[in-house]
This record gives sequence, structure tokens and C-alpha cells, in this order.
Amino acid sequence: DARVTQTPRHKVTEMGQEVTMRCQPILGHNTVFWYRQTMMQGLELLAYFRNRAPLDDSGMPKDRFSAEMPDATLATLKIQPSEPRDSAVYFCASGLRVWGQTNTGELFFGEGSRLTVL
Amino acid sequence: EDKVVQSPLSLVVHEGDTVTLNCSYEVTNFRSLLWYKQEKKAPTFLFMLTSSGIEKKSGRLSSILDKKELFSILNITATQTGDSAVYLCAVEGRDSNYQLIWGAGTKLIIKP
Repeated sequence: DARVTQTPRHKVTEMGQEVTMRCQPILGHNTVFWYRQTMMQGLELLAYFRNRAPLDDSGMPKDRFSAEMPDATLATLKIQPSEPRDSAVYFCASGLRVWGQTNTGELFFGEGSRLTVL
Repeated sequence: EDKVVQSPLSLVVHEGDTVTLNCSYEVTNFRSLLWYKQEKKAPTFLFMLTSSGIEKKSGRLSSILDKKELFSILNITATQTGDSAVYLCAVEGRDSNYQLIWGAGTKLIIKP
């Protein structure tokens, strides 16, 4: 049963610490998204990769956040240093974009990483 | 600026009722509209709509798109407590580089 896998599921850390979240997209998917979800803001796009290349990270605070895809099976989101306002659930989602297809199609979401920064 | 607006923001009904959730959008070069259901964890896919007037149906859930008036509705008939969730609408536009623009969601509570 193919699914997007995220780790850690929960993370509690202190302000100023580095946090790294990891995502294993579904094998064969060529698009990967990082989202942040809070009660106030809903789903916010942080970063978007297609074929491992970053296409859009304009939603990400560049001074403290970074997103990478070192290979097709791993996407990472790093926060350094973390702040209390970063507390949220971070979702990774993957999908398959086929050349010539007119739309992105269905995205499959991971279970999320719940981050609490004290 | 592209945007997606869902209404109502929250809705409380009794089991057995029929509900209609709304999603209106302003997106340059519309490609598709998607509905997701989010319970406690990750959003799960319900429907993708690309053409006006063609109803998509899955059990008690159905959805339709109006590209002229720029909205979609999600209907749930004979609601059950398991339908309680946040329902998210997202729209893809070519000029958004194929990203999804998400609405804030409708929180649906079904009372027994």
C-alpha cells in the first residue's frame, strides 16, 4: 500500500534548536510539496519540487527554513533556528505529473509532523 | 491574486441531513478543482473536477463544477457522524505554476 511517510510524527523542541523533518514520497511520484497547517492560516505552501528541482519556495521564510531533495526518495525541511511561531503541523505531499497532462492531479499526503517549539 | 473561498466556514447538522458545501475561486487559467476531506490527520482525496456540469459521485458524496460562475459544490446526502471533518477545496491554475491554491476549509460537524 503506497503512502507518503513522514518523520518524526511529533517533535517538541526549545526555541533556537534545529529541527529537521523528513519525507519519503510515493515511489514514482515526481512532485513533492511541503505544507504547514495551523488553525489560523490553514494550509500554507512552503516548498514545491518537481523532478527534485525546487520550483517554488516563496512561501518559506528563507532566513530560517530550507528544503531539499537529496534524492528521489527523500525530501527534507529544516528549520534553524526554530521559534515558537513555527509550531504547526507540517505535511508532505507527493503526486505524479505526467507530461502532456493538463493538471497536477491528486496529491497524496503524509500523516504530518506536529512541531511544538517552546 | 489567485484565491479560493469556501463557505460556510463551519456547519453543524444532524445525522441524516443533506449538506452543501461551497467553493468559489478566482484563478488565472484554471486547470482543475479538487476536494479533500481532513479528519484528524492528513487530507484525503475526494474528487477532481475539470469540466463544467459533469457530476462526480462517490457513494453519498457528489460534486459539480461551474466554470462560468467559478464555483463548485460538494453535496453529502444522508449524513453520518463519520462525515464530520474539515472539507478542503483547492484549485490549480497554470499561472500558479501548477500549484494548488487552498481554501480555508469548511468544518462540518454531524450530531447524532
